[in-house]
Amino acid sequence: KAGVTQTPRYLIKTRGQQVTLSCSPISGHRSVSWYQQTPGQGLQFLFEYFSETQRNKGNFPGRFSGRQFSNSRSEMNVSTLELGDSALYLCASRASPTDTQYFGPGTRLTVL
Amino acid sequence: DAKTTQPTSMDCAEGRAANLPCNHSTISGNEYVYWYRQIHSQGPQYIIHGLKNNETNEMASLIITEDRKSSTLILPHATLRDTAVYYCIVRVAYNQGGKLIFGQGTELSVKP
Repeated sequence: KAGVTQTPRYLIKTRGQQVTLSCSPISGHRSVSWYQQTPGQGLQFLFEYFSETQRNKGNFPGRFSGRQFSNSRSEMNVSTLELGDSALYLCASRASPTDTQYFGPGTRLTVL
Repeated sequence: DAKTTQPTSMDCAEGRAANLPCNHSTISGNEYVYWYRQIHSQGPQYIIHGLKNNETNEMASLIITEDRKSSTLILPHATLRDTAVYYCIVRVAYNQGGKLIFGQGTELSVKP
């Protein structure tokens, strides 16, 4: 089975722009979670989608949003980018909310 | 907030067993202990998980104390490729979202 894939792998944006990141889960997995990893804060949970519905949300501002499509693929959007949004954004999928999560390779976002 | 405490760093000689401790004294009865590892800037890799009993798979063994307040991940024959940050995580109960809350992890260095 193919693993979790994330696109793009690297991205450079400037302050004030917006960005959309994409995640394709493992085939058959209906749950997708997003995490942000920075050197200062470590790995922090952003949100989780299951069957196109957001079922859990971390403590991030409203500039961070996401959605999930009927094929379980998910996108994450960050509007009005700030320098502090520079991070590795990780996506993880699982078959259901009680199963093990498997992570993708991440998207490295740099905000200049 | 993270529910686990781990040493910041550990060293291990190549070919020897690596024993990584984790304290999770506030764990609830229905919360699982998960271990992931992250090799520099890659996505976290799932290793093993358990609830009460000791577990073993092709990668590692997980020893959970009887009171469930601590656990130890054992890599039986560490190699240089096992150098990584190891995260011990208590997965929040399903009815509270089932999300993973990462701590700072243990940086394991395997030395020749």
